Amino acid sequence: QVQLVQSGAEVKKPGASVKVSCKASGYTFTNYYMHWVRQAPRQGLEWMGIINPSGGSTSYAQKFQGRVTMTRDTSTSTVDMELSSLRSEDTAVYYCARNGPTSFDYWGQGTLVTVSS
Amino acid sequence: QSALTQPASVSGSPGQSITISCTGISSDVGGYNYVSWYQQHPGKAPKVMIYDVSKRPSGVSNRFSGSKSGNTASLTISGLQAEDEADYYCCSYAGSSTWVFGGGTKLTVL
Repeated sequence: QVQLVQSGAEVKKPGASVKVSCKASGYTFTNYYMHWVRQAPRQGLEWMGIINPSGGSTSYAQKFQGRVTMTRDTSTSTVDMELSSLRSEDTAVYYCARNGPTSFDYWGQGTLVTVSS
Repeated sequence: QSALTQPASVSGSPGQSITISCTGISSDVGGYNYVSWYQQHPGKAPKVMIYDVSKRPSGVSNRFSGSKSGNTASLTISGLQAEDEADYYCCSYAGSSTWVFGGGTKLTVL
């Protein structure tokens, strides 16, 4: 069965960077793009970007351009999302979600990133 | 990339039907038939309920249906049940490999 397992919770100081990992299993990793979506406390879902695990190409939401980097490792079926220059407003649960291909058909369990001095 | 517009909350009694709207613009909802809807219970990851405007994934109850007219998509839940109480989000493809979510709607089953 399809599973997306994310790395554990992180606490970071303002200005630092965070990297969240998402390990896929149960399907051919390179056949499906992967999204990253975040959700601030008591807020809605926000699309951050998408990566093609096959070639590594990416597309980011304008809001995160210059601060987010998505990469993949086909040998471990893992996609990573790194967000830099963190501020308190980046405190959120970050999800990876498989592109299925016109919806987000499988989701990771979420990773809480807390930004606090 | 502005968020799609959803009502903040809707409510209904068990057995009733409710509809949640999702309004975008011609370059997202109006331009593509790639609108999807997600159900999210507290503390859980979202779950896709409708994709491609009106298609239901395997395992999703046929009480859930979707439609679209112009720049507005809608999710209808018929025969409301207690377990339907959750937050619902619409999402649309917005071109150039970008997607946009709605602000979310809290459904209360009275």
